[in-house]
Amino acid sequence: GENVEQHPSTLSVQEGDSAVIKCTYSDSASNYFPWYKQELGKGPQLIIDIRSNVGEKKDQRIAVTLNKTAKHFSLHITETQPEDSAVYFCAAVSNSGYALNFGKGTSLLVTP
Amino acid sequence: GAGVSQSPSNKVTEKGKDVELRCDPISGHTALYWYRQSLGQGLEFLIYFQGNSAPDKSGLPSDRFSAERTGGSVSTLTIQRTQQEDSAVYLCASSLQGSGANVLTFGAGSRLTVL
Repeated sequence: GENVEQHPSTLSVQEGDSAVIKCTYSDSASNYFPWYKQELGKGPQLIIDIRSNVGEKKDQRIAVTLNKTAKHFSLHITETQPEDSAVYFCAAVSNSGYALNFGKGTSLLVTP
Repeated sequence: GAGVSQSPSNKVTEKGKDVELRCDPISGHTALYWYRQSLGQGLEFLIYFQGNSAPDKSGLPSDRFSAERTGGSVSTLTIQRTQQEDSAVYLCASSLQGSGANVLTFGAGSRLTVL
């Protein structure tokens, strides 16, 4: 089955700096890669996703890149703000699959 | 409803007791998932329901765990004879369709503490 590895487990940046979270996956059939943000006491919420037919996708301060050959994808947050502090999860799944396989999460802390 | 509703939000129980966790998905969502989030761990898939199809129970960690979904809507996750290692946040999610390549909407979770 699919195995998703996520690094780092914790990340601390100063407000205004960039943050990068990286994930690798094992199943070459995976073709959908979402990122979820979980704030304290809440369920995870989708913030951005990418499908295998594109290499990069951007939404304001958030971008995701995908390298299918190397089987890794990354989340980039620019101009970080304190409200970006949360746990971020990457995930992967194939078209024939239905249950997202999640990484173990990255706890991001943005200090003012 | 507007979102996925889970109850109770917090449950403290004694080892050996049974617990039931409830999930009310978004109206019209055909797929429903249960995940478990242990401290410092990712989201562990437990069970998946899609329409009237037989559920995929492949993620359930032991036969003490079971779940049902009545009328294609509300789901209940039952843990029998709870153990301390069952302590975790149990998250429910629903999606419009059954394919994994769809947006999952999660509830806030039910935090279970087994003493």
